[in-house]
Amino acid sequence: GENVEQHPSTLSVQEGDSAVIKCTYSDSASNYFPWYKQELGKRPQLIIDIRSNVGEKKDQRIAVTLNKTAKHFSLHITETQPEDSAVYFCAASPLTTDSWGKLQFGAGTQVVVTP
Amino acid sequence: DTEVTQTPKHLVMGMTNKKSLKCEQHMGHRAMYWYKQKAKKPPELMFVYSYEKLSINESVPSRFSPECPNSSLLNLHLHALQPEDSALYLCASKGQGGSPLHFGNGTRLTVT
Repeated sequence: GENVEQHPSTLSVQEGDSAVIKCTYSDSASNYFPWYKQELGKRPQLIIDIRSNVGEKKDQRIAVTLNKTAKHFSLHITETQPEDSAVYFCAASPLTTDSWGKLQFGAGTQVVVTP
Repeated sequence: DTEVTQTPKHLVMGMTNKKSLKCEQHMGHRAMYWYKQKAKKPPELMFVYSYEKLSINESVPSRFSPECPNSSLLNLHLHALQPEDSALYLCASKGQGGSPLHFGNGTRLTVT
């Protein structure tokens, strides 16, 4: 089955700096890569996702890149703000028309943005 | 606001109790999920229902019993739980194909 590794486990950044979280996956059948943000005591919320036919996707201060050959994908947050402090999970799954997307999550990265 | 609603928000139960967690979505999604999440860990998949049929059971102990009465509702029946079952239980739903997984706010379960 799929195995997703996520690094680093914790990340401290100064407000305004950039944060980068990296994930690798093992199953070449995986073609859907979402990122979830989970604030303390709350549900995981999808912040961005990418499919394997796309190499990069951007949404305001958040971007995700995918290198299918190397089987790794990364989350980039620019101009970090204190409200970006949370745990971020990457995930991977195959996505076909009849697949219900059994997501395999990475272990998570605790991001702390200090003012 | 979440489009997947879970009740109750918190639940404390003894090891001999029987309780149920409930989940509801009205997005027309045909797949619904139960996840278990321990503190500082990623969500772990427990069960998947697709078109109201159980399609995945991740070797979950029988003290957890899922039920999908209709396409909008998902229950998780709990019986004879252990203290180590204390966790955040997340329900999620998903549309077909390339749509993302939507999580509910979860039920914080404590087994005493």
